[in-house]
Parts: sequence; structure tokens; C-alpha cells
Amino acid sequence: EPEVTQTPSHQVTQMGQEVILRCVPISNHLYFYWYRQILGQKVEFLVSFYNNEISEKSEIFDDQFSVERPDGSNFTLKIRSTKLEDSAMYFCASSEAAGELFFGEGSRLTVL
Amino acid sequence: GESVGLHLPTLSVQEGDNSIINCAYSNSASDYFIWYKQESGKGPQFIIDIRSNMDKRQGQRVTVLLNKTVKHLSLQIAATQPGDSAVYFCAENDGNNRLAFGKGNQVVVIP
Repeated sequence: EPEVTQTPSHQVTQMGQEVILRCVPISNHLYFYWYRQILGQKVEFLVSFYNNEISEKSEIFDDQFSVERPDGSNFTLKIRSTKLEDSAMYFCASSEAAGELFFGEGSRLTVL
Repeated sequence: GESVGLHLPTLSVQEGDNSIINCAYSNSASDYFIWYKQESGKGPQFIIDIRSNMDKRQGQRVTVLLNKTVKHLSLQIAATQPGDSAVYFCAENDGNNRLAFGKGNQVVVIP
């Protein structure tokens, strides 16, 4: 069964460092998303991406964050200068159309 | 440990019994709703969805009920199994291509 894959599964970084989280969405999907989940809290929307541009973003997705689809398969989330409060699980998701989202297993980011 | 900060409503259910998980959503403009299951350390897994033009939808062992009048969504799991132990989230889509997740309900199945 096709699935969304994410790397790394866990990243530990120092505050102020840049981090890139990578995702390979399901191959025929056209919509891509990043969500995050702070430990013990609900899943929060960050950004959606369609047709090589951001279609929607939340108030969490400030100038420190950026997304990119550098080639036909990868979808990346970059955090330019990490803060302690960026520590969370980051989930990538994709969908064929606006509808059912398929989530990856997540990348755990720990900022020290 | 992993449980620090975790204050989810918890439903404990005997194996074989039925489970009902409830969710109140906030946006009356939402037209699409999904239930997700999240096991520890994993990503949300799709269970079942329902559109706002329906009030009930059934899947394999699961039923979702939608009451738009009171903005309430429920998930019924028949004959609950140990593998159903997880956190369950409802999510709503208001048509802007983003999902808003609820706070989650922990289901613990007692063998």
C-alpha cells in the first residue's frame, strides 16, 4: 500500500540552528501538507501546498518556516532558526484531492 | 516521561464491548469530517469520513454519526479489540483545504 515517508524520524538540534525535514508524499497525490503535534497536544495545521505554491498557512507558519518541492518526489519543511518551542512531532500528509489526508509517521524534532 | 502534559479524556472499555467517542466541532461552515486514530509514536491514521450532507456512515466495525444542529460528531466502534487502543481525533474541514483537529480521546481496551 502506498504511504507517505518522512526523514529523519528523530532530529536533535541546538537552538538557533536550521533544520530541514523531508517527506516523500504518495506519488499520484497533488496536495501536500505539514502539521505538527507538540507532546500531549492536538495536531495543528501548519501549511498546505498545491501546484508548487503555498495554498494556505496558519498563524504558526511564520517567516522562520518555509516549504519546498525541490524535485518531483520530495516535499521539505525548513525551520531557519529553531526555538525551544519548535520541539514537536512534525507530520507530512498528502491527498489526491481536497479530502482524505494520508499522514506519514512523523519526524520528532527536539530543540535543546 | 511520555505522559507529561497528557490530559486526554479516557474511555476504558472491555474487549468485545462497543465504544462511543464524542467530538464537538466549532465551525458551522465545515462540510467534511474525519476520524483519525493515532497509536503511540505514529502518525494519524484515517478511520472514516463523512460529508455534511449525511448524518450517518458505516465502515467495517465503525460508524460515524453527524449532528449538524448541535455540531456534534461521534464514532462508534463495535466489538472493541485490543488493537483499537489509541488516541482518536476528530477533524473538520471548512472547505479551505485545511483540517482542524480536536483534542483527542484516549481509548484503553481491557482484555
